[in-house]
Amino acid sequence: SQWGEENLQALSIQEGEDVTMNCSYKTYTTVVHWYRQDSGRGPALIILIRSNEREKRSGRLRATLDTSSQSSSLSITAAQCEDTAVYFCATRAASSSFSKLVFGQGTSLSVVP
Amino acid sequence: NAGVIQTPRHKVTGKGQEATLWCEPISGHSAVFWYRQTIVQGLEFLTYFRNQAPIDDSGMPKERFSAQMPNQSHSTLKIQSTQPQDSAVYLCASSPSDTEVFFGKGTRLTVV
Repeated sequence: SQWGEENLQALSIQEGEDVTMNCSYKTYTTVVHWYRQDSGRGPALIILIRSNEREKRSGRLRATLDTSSQSSSLSITAAQCEDTAVYFCATRAASSSFSKLVFGQGTSLSVVP
Repeated sequence: NAGVIQTPRHKVTGKGQEATLWCEPISGHSAVFWYRQTIVQGLEFLTYFRNQAPIDDSGMPKERFSAQMPNQSHSTLKIQSTQPQDSAVYLCASSPSDTEVFFGKGTRLTVV
Protein backbone atom coordinates (compact mmCIF):
# COMPACT_ATOMS: atom_id res chain seq x y z
CA SER A 1 0.00 0.00 0.00
CA GLN A 2 1.11 3.52 -0.64
CA TRP A 3 -0.22 4.61 2.66
CA GLY A 4 1.44 4.10 5.97
CA GLU A 5 -0.44 5.17 9.00
CA GLU A 6 -3.82 6.05 7.64
CA ASN A 7 -6.37 3.36 8.17
CA LEU A 8 -10.11 3.84 8.08
CA GLN A 9 -10.80 5.85 11.17
CA ALA A 10 -14.02 7.04 12.69
CA LEU A 11 -14.16 10.36 14.46
CA SER A 12 -17.14 11.88 16.22
CA ILE A 13 -17.03 15.48 17.34
CA GLN A 14 -19.47 18.12 18.41
CA GLU A 15 -20.49 21.04 16.29
CA GLY A 16 -18.12 23.95 16.72
CA GLU A 17 -15.08 21.86 17.52
CA ASP A 18 -11.94 21.76 15.43
CA VAL A 19 -10.69 18.48 13.97
CA THR A 20 -7.53 17.34 12.22
CA MET A 21 -7.12 14.28 10.04
CA ASN A 22 -3.70 12.95 9.15
CA CYS A 23 -2.21 10.73 6.54
CA SER A 24 1.26 9.59 5.63
CA TYR A 25 2.45 8.19 2.35
CA LYS A 26 5.34 6.04 1.24
CA THR A 27 5.83 7.09 -2.36
CA TYR A 28 7.40 10.44 -3.12
CA THR A 29 4.80 12.91 -4.25
CA THR A 30 4.57 16.60 -4.92
CA VAL A 31 0.79 16.88 -4.69
CA VAL A 32 -1.69 15.61 -2.15
CA HIS A 33 -5.40 15.62 -2.91
CA TRP A 34 -8.05 15.68 -0.21
CA TYR A 35 -11.49 14.40 -1.17
CA ARG A 36 -14.71 14.17 0.75
CA GLN A 37 -17.41 11.62 0.08
CA ASP A 38 -20.98 12.10 1.14
CA SER A 39 -23.28 9.13 1.52
CA GLY A 40 -24.48 7.85 -1.83
CA ARG A 41 -22.13 10.01 -3.84
CA GLY A 42 -18.67 9.75 -5.32
CA PRO A 43 -15.67 11.50 -3.78
CA ALA A 44 -15.27 15.20 -4.55
CA LEU A 45 -12.07 17.21 -4.37
CA ILE A 46 -12.06 19.74 -1.55
CA ILE A 47 -8.46 20.87 -1.45
CA LEU A 48 -5.24 20.14 -3.32
CA ILE A 49 -1.86 21.02 -1.89
CA ARG A 50 1.46 21.02 -3.69
CA SER A 51 4.94 20.60 -2.30
CA ASN A 52 5.70 24.30 -2.68
CA GLU A 53 2.70 25.11 -0.50
CA ARG A 54 3.36 23.97 3.04
CA GLU A 55 -0.11 25.12 3.96
CA LYS A 56 -3.26 25.83 1.99
CA ARG A 57 -6.58 27.19 3.16
CA SER A 58 -10.04 27.09 1.70
CA GLY A 59 -12.76 28.50 3.90
CA ARG A 60 -12.75 26.50 7.12
CA LEU A 61 -10.39 23.91 5.65
CA ARG A 62 -6.65 23.93 6.11
CA ALA A 63 -4.28 21.42 4.53
CA THR A 64 -0.62 20.96 5.25
CA LEU A 65 2.03 18.99 3.45
CA ASP A 66 5.41 17.99 4.81
CA THR A 67 7.41 16.26 2.13
CA SER A 68 10.30 15.57 4.49
CA SER A 69 8.09 13.38 6.70
CA GLN A 70 5.83 12.38 3.80
CA SER A 71 2.72 13.40 5.64
CA SER A 72 -0.28 15.59 5.10
CA SER A 73 -3.09 16.81 7.30
CA LEU A 74 -6.53 18.27 6.82
CA SER A 75 -8.05 20.45 9.50
CA ILE A 76 -11.59 21.70 9.76
CA THR A 77 -12.24 24.71 11.95
CA ALA A 78 -15.53 25.06 13.80
CA ALA A 79 -16.98 21.91 12.29
CA GLN A 80 -20.62 21.94 11.23
CA CYS A 81 -23.06 19.07 10.89
CA GLU A 82 -22.79 19.35 7.12
CA ASP A 83 -19.09 18.46 7.41
CA THR A 84 -20.17 14.91 8.24
CA ALA A 85 -18.60 12.77 5.51
CA VAL A 86 -15.72 10.44 4.77
CA TYR A 87 -12.47 12.24 4.01
CA PHE A 88 -9.73 10.71 1.88
CA CYS A 89 -6.25 11.77 1.02
CA ALA A 90 -4.83 10.67 -2.31
CA THR A 91 -1.68 10.98 -4.34
CA ARG A 92 -0.67 10.13 -7.86
CA ALA A 93 1.01 6.74 -8.13
CA ALA A 94 3.84 8.12 -10.22
CA SER A 95 5.46 11.45 -10.87
CA SER A 96 4.11 11.62 -14.39
CA SER A 97 0.84 13.37 -14.98
CA PHE A 98 -2.32 11.35 -15.49
CA SER A 99 -1.09 8.44 -13.44
CA LYS A 100 -3.72 6.82 -11.26
CA LEU A 101 -4.80 8.39 -7.98
CA VAL A 102 -4.14 6.15 -5.01
CA PHE A 103 -6.43 6.74 -2.04
CA GLY A 104 -5.88 6.26 1.65
CA GLN A 105 -8.42 4.32 3.67
CA GLY A 106 -10.27 7.44 4.74
CA THR A 107 -11.58 9.03 7.90
CA SER A 108 -15.28 8.87 8.65
CA LEU A 109 -16.15 12.13 10.39
CA SER A 110 -19.41 12.57 12.23
CA VAL A 111 -20.30 16.03 13.51
CA VAL A 112 -23.14 16.00 16.00
CA PRO A 113 -25.15 18.94 17.32
CA ASN B 1 -22.66 20.09 -16.91
CA ALA B 2 -24.25 16.96 -15.54
CA GLY B 3 -20.97 15.59 -14.28
CA VAL B 4 -19.88 12.00 -14.73
CA ILE B 5 -22.94 9.86 -15.35
CA GLN B 6 -23.03 6.23 -14.32
CA THR B 7 -25.78 3.80 -15.12
CA PRO B 8 -27.40 1.91 -13.63
CA ARG B 9 -27.16 3.27 -10.09
CA HIS B 10 -28.01 -0.14 -8.68
CA LYS B 11 -27.67 -3.57 -10.21
CA VAL B 12 -28.44 -6.98 -8.77
CA THR B 13 -27.12 -10.04 -10.54
CA GLY B 14 -27.21 -13.71 -9.81
CA LYS B 15 -23.97 -15.54 -9.20
CA GLY B 16 -22.45 -16.49 -12.52
CA GLN B 17 -24.27 -13.86 -14.54
CA GLU B 18 -22.65 -11.03 -16.45
CA ALA B 19 -22.81 -7.40 -15.40
CA THR B 20 -22.07 -4.39 -17.59
CA LEU B 21 -21.62 -0.98 -16.02
CA TRP B 22 -21.74 2.23 -18.05
CA CYS B 23 -19.99 5.51 -17.64
CA GLU B 24 -20.35 8.79 -19.50
CA PRO B 25 -17.38 11.04 -18.66
CA ILE B 26 -17.51 14.80 -18.62
CA SER B 27 -17.23 16.13 -22.16
CA GLY B 28 -13.70 17.18 -23.00
CA HIS B 29 -12.02 15.18 -20.27
CA SER B 30 -9.20 13.09 -21.65
CA ALA B 31 -8.76 10.62 -18.80
CA VAL B 32 -11.32 8.11 -17.53
CA PHE B 33 -10.80 6.02 -14.41
CA TRP B 34 -12.61 3.08 -12.84
CA TYR B 35 -12.45 2.38 -9.11
CA ARG B 36 -14.12 -0.15 -6.85
CA GLN B 37 -15.15 0.72 -3.31
CA THR B 38 -15.88 -1.63 -0.43
CA ILE B 39 -15.87 -1.16 3.31
CA VAL B 40 -12.98 -3.58 3.74
CA GLN B 41 -10.73 -2.59 0.83
CA GLY B 42 -11.65 1.05 0.51
CA LEU B 43 -11.18 2.76 -2.85
CA GLU B 44 -9.33 0.43 -5.19
CA PHE B 45 -8.05 1.50 -8.55
CA LEU B 46 -9.07 -0.78 -11.39
CA THR B 47 -8.10 0.78 -14.71
CA TYR B 48 -7.83 3.98 -16.67
CA PHE B 49 -7.92 5.33 -20.20
CA ARG B 50 -6.37 8.40 -21.68
CA ASN B 51 -7.74 9.70 -24.96
CA GLN B 52 -9.64 6.39 -25.18
CA ALA B 53 -6.43 4.31 -25.03
CA PRO B 54 -5.96 1.89 -22.12
CA ILE B 55 -3.05 3.13 -20.03
CA ASP B 56 -3.03 1.18 -16.80
CA ASP B 57 -5.14 -1.85 -15.93
CA SER B 58 -2.99 -2.99 -13.03
CA GLY B 59 -5.96 -3.12 -10.65
CA MET B 60 -8.19 -5.25 -12.81
CA PRO B 61 -8.80 -8.85 -11.78
CA LYS B 62 -7.44 -10.54 -14.85
CA GLU B 63 -9.90 -13.25 -15.62
CA ARG B 64 -13.41 -11.88 -15.42
CA PHE B 65 -13.08 -8.12 -15.62
CA SER B 66 -12.71 -6.06 -18.77
CA ALA B 67 -13.08 -2.40 -19.59
CA GLN B 68 -13.49 -0.61 -22.87
CA MET B 69 -13.76 2.92 -24.13
CA PRO B 70 -15.07 2.73 -27.68
CA ASN B 71 -15.53 6.49 -28.00
CA GLN B 72 -14.99 9.73 -26.10
CA SER B 73 -18.46 9.71 -24.63
CA HIS B 74 -18.62 6.42 -22.82
CA SER B 75 -16.74 3.63 -21.14
CA THR B 76 -17.95 0.24 -19.95
CA LEU B 77 -16.81 -2.13 -17.25
CA LYS B 78 -17.87 -5.71 -17.82
CA ILE B 79 -17.72 -8.43 -15.21
CA GLN B 80 -18.27 -11.95 -16.41
CA SER B 81 -19.46 -14.77 -14.20
CA THR B 82 -20.06 -12.45 -11.26
CA GLN B 83 -19.23 -13.71 -7.80
CA PRO B 84 -20.45 -12.49 -4.39
CA GLN B 85 -17.03 -10.95 -3.73
CA ASP B 86 -17.59 -8.66 -6.72
CA SER B 87 -20.31 -6.88 -4.77
CA ALA B 88 -19.15 -3.30 -4.36
CA VAL B 89 -19.74 0.24 -5.52
CA TYR B 90 -18.04 0.81 -8.84
CA LEU B 91 -17.00 4.38 -9.42
CA CYS B 92 -16.13 5.99 -12.71
CA ALA B 93 -14.22 9.24 -12.83
CA SER B 94 -12.86 11.59 -15.45
CA SER B 95 -10.19 14.24 -15.47
CA PRO B 96 -9.17 17.01 -17.84
CA SER B 97 -5.62 17.20 -16.56
CA ASP B 98 -3.30 15.92 -13.87
CA THR B 99 -5.16 17.72 -11.11
CA GLU B 100 -8.76 17.22 -10.11
CA VAL B 101 -10.56 13.96 -10.75
CA PHE B 102 -14.34 14.13 -10.98
CA PHE B 103 -16.29 11.11 -9.81
CA GLY B 104 -19.71 9.85 -10.72
CA LYS B 105 -22.20 8.68 -8.11
CA GLY B 106 -21.27 5.07 -8.67
CA THR B 107 -23.05 1.84 -9.48
CA ARG B 108 -23.83 -0.40 -6.53
CA LEU B 109 -23.46 -3.98 -7.70
CA THR B 110 -24.93 -6.73 -5.58
CA VAL B 111 -24.27 -10.34 -6.53
CA VAL B 112 -26.69 -12.77 -4.92
